[in-house]
Amino acid sequence: SFELTQPPSVSVSPGQTATITCSADTWGDKYACWYQQKPGQSPVQIIYQDTKRPSGIPERFSGSNSGNTATLTISGTQAMDEADYYCQAWDSRNRFVFGTGTKVTVL
Amino acid sequence: EVHLVESGGGLVKPGGSLRLSCAASGFTFSTYSMNWVRQAPGKGLEWVSSISSSSRNIYYADSLKGRSTISRDNAKNSLYLQMNSLRAEDTAVYYCAKQGGSGSYGFDYWGQGTLVTVSS
Repeated sequence: SFELTQPPSVSVSPGQTATITCSADTWGDKYACWYQQKPGQSPVQIIYQDTKRPSGIPERFSGSNSGNTATLTISGTQAMDEADYYCQAWDSRNRFVFGTGTKVTVL
Repeated sequence: EVHLVESGGGLVKPGGSLRLSCAASGFTFSTYSMNWVRQAPGKGLEWVSSISSSSRNIYYADSLKGRSTISRDNAKNSLYLQMNSLRAEDTAVYYCAKQGGSGSYGFDYWGQGTLVTVSS
């Protein structure tokens, strides 16, 4: 089955760049989406189709997908970016798969 | 403005059944696929099921396949999830999520979730 693996945690200093990876055996032609979830809140989509940002999402969030890894980059990380982040893909059986999740801590 | 409001969660005994509902507003409900996603306490997100705009295409995660039925009523702008033979491991917050387009668009709007607790 198609599985997505993320690092459990990432720490970053304010103003620095946070990089979150999402690995699969083979991404193939699948697109990646990314979601941010703060404690006690519902997830919010921050990236879709690998690189696109929904309206209202700050430019400091960017995405890429190459080889077997999709990547979410947070440039100039702010304290408000502290949250859990999940990648997601739509697999060949028309099912959605979420990554294992990454907790971003802004130190 | 898009709003998704789930209801129907609660405490149910193992083996019991529950029907979740999601009331949608702020967009043309009948033209978008919809999904259910769950999150067990302290755990990650798990996709549960999806239904196309016309209900023609329905998909389930293996974890609930055979025990749940997704449906929708486009006239009422509502999404449903009937869950049967519930187990302790089904305890989770269940979110209703709107699909942005094809699967590659992911879920652009989410509800606030409804908590399902399976316990004796």
